[in-house]
Amino acid sequence: SYELTQPPSVSVSPGQTARITCSGDALPKQYAYWYQQKPGQAPVLVIYKDSERPSGIPERFSGSSSGTTVTLTISGVQAEDEADYYCQSADSSGTYEVFGGGTKLTVL
Amino acid sequence: QVQLQESGPGLVKPSQTLSLTCTVSGGSISSGSYYWSWIRQPAGKGLEWIGRIYTSGSTNYNPSLKSRVTISVDTSKNQFSLKLSSVTAADTAVYYCARVEQQLEYFDYWGQGTLVTVSS
Repeated sequence: SYELTQPPSVSVSPGQTARITCSGDALPKQYAYWYQQKPGQAPVLVIYKDSERPSGIPERFSGSSSGTTVTLTISGVQAEDEADYYCQSADSSGTYEVFGGGTKLTVL
Repeated sequence: QVQLQESGPGLVKPSQTLSLTCTVSGGSISSGSYYWSWIRQPAGKGLEWIGRIYTSGSTNYNPSLKSRVTISVDTSKNQFSLKLSSVTAADTAVYYCARVEQQLEYFDYWGQGTLVTVSS
């Protein structure tokens, strides 16, 4: 079955830029979405359709796409950004949804 | 403000069927603009999409769970439900229900999640 691959962890110091990648064969065909999840909470959307930012999400969150890889970029990371981040997309036919394995962002 | 709330037994015995219901408030489940999904998360692990149902009743399921999953909708109660048969300890997880806006295609509202433990 279809899979999305993320690095298990990313660490950055406050004020630096964090980049989290997500790779999948169908990403050139299907949009990607990014969710932030803090302990004990439901996920929250931070990027949709590869690079769109929902209202209420800080401008430091951005998304990009290149071929089979999408990237979530957090510029000027703050302590409050420490969380798990999941990419989500669909298989090539759009029949089912898939989440990446998640990336734990640690703010040093 | 739309709210989703999961409900159902927190403990299920192995080989039995897990049954959960998601009650939607603040909006109609019959709106054709949305579809409704179940997602789960084992403790300390990632999110796993289980399946979705459209207001027409059409469904799609995770291929790895398809043989054991049924999602249904009860528009009169503004609820949708999940049944997962032949459960094992591997099905122990927090189960979330969520709404997807069809045009934007993302999970915009989530329930708080409910922990289901499979154990004898």
